[in-house]
Amino acid sequence: DAKTTQPPSMDCAEGRAANLPCNHSTISGNEYVYWYRQIHSQGPQYIIHGLKNNETNEMASLIITEDRKSSTLILPHATLRDTAVYYCIVRVSGNTPLVFGKGTRLSVIA
Amino acid sequence: NAGVTQTPKFQVLKTGQSMTLQCAQDMNHEYMSWYRQDPGMGLRLIHYSVGAGITDQGEVPNGYNVSRSTTEDFPLRLLSAAPSQTSVYFCASSYGLAAGELFFGEGSRLTVL
Repeated sequence: DAKTTQPPSMDCAEGRAANLPCNHSTISGNEYVYWYRQIHSQGPQYIIHGLKNNETNEMASLIITEDRKSSTLILPHATLRDTAVYYCIVRVSGNTPLVFGKGTRLSVIA
Repeated sequence: NAGVTQTPKFQVLKTGQSMTLQCAQDMNHEYMSWYRQDPGMGLRLIHYSVGAGITDQGEVPNGYNVSRSTTEDFPLRLLSAAPSQTSVYFCASSYGLAAGELFFGEGSRLTVL
């Protein structure tokens, strides 16, 4: 199974870009990278996903390296409300459920 | 749209008691699933369903039963609660198993004494 490695915690100054790394060195060619976040004790929230190309939406940008062994989620202008646990997930196949790891706890500091 | 609705939000049980956590979605999603989250941990998949009448086990299915008689509802049953089942339970749904965007409920916090 493809697995991910994320730092347990990170800090970011408010207004700055938050860059959250994820290592997935065993990813296979048809496996997508998904990012979710969980604010406090709420249910997780989908952010973005990608396969090979970089992706951007209203919430964030996803940068996937050319060899696909790592990716970075970018929150361009972090706010205090972005403080959350961020999960990077690699789906083993399109017919298996998403499996969450422990994620990265991002603290945005004023 | 209500999205994914979980009830109850809080519950305290005694060891050995049974109960059902309810999950309902109004988005006509085929895929539904249950996760549990223990303090400081990520989410672990308990059971999931790809459609009415179909269920499958996740990472930690022991001690839990599920059924899917309708598209809208996916209840999680604890037949004989144990302190190890103290956790926050999240229900999630999506258009299909292959869809990556899961919609989560607000969670049900269960304490087993």
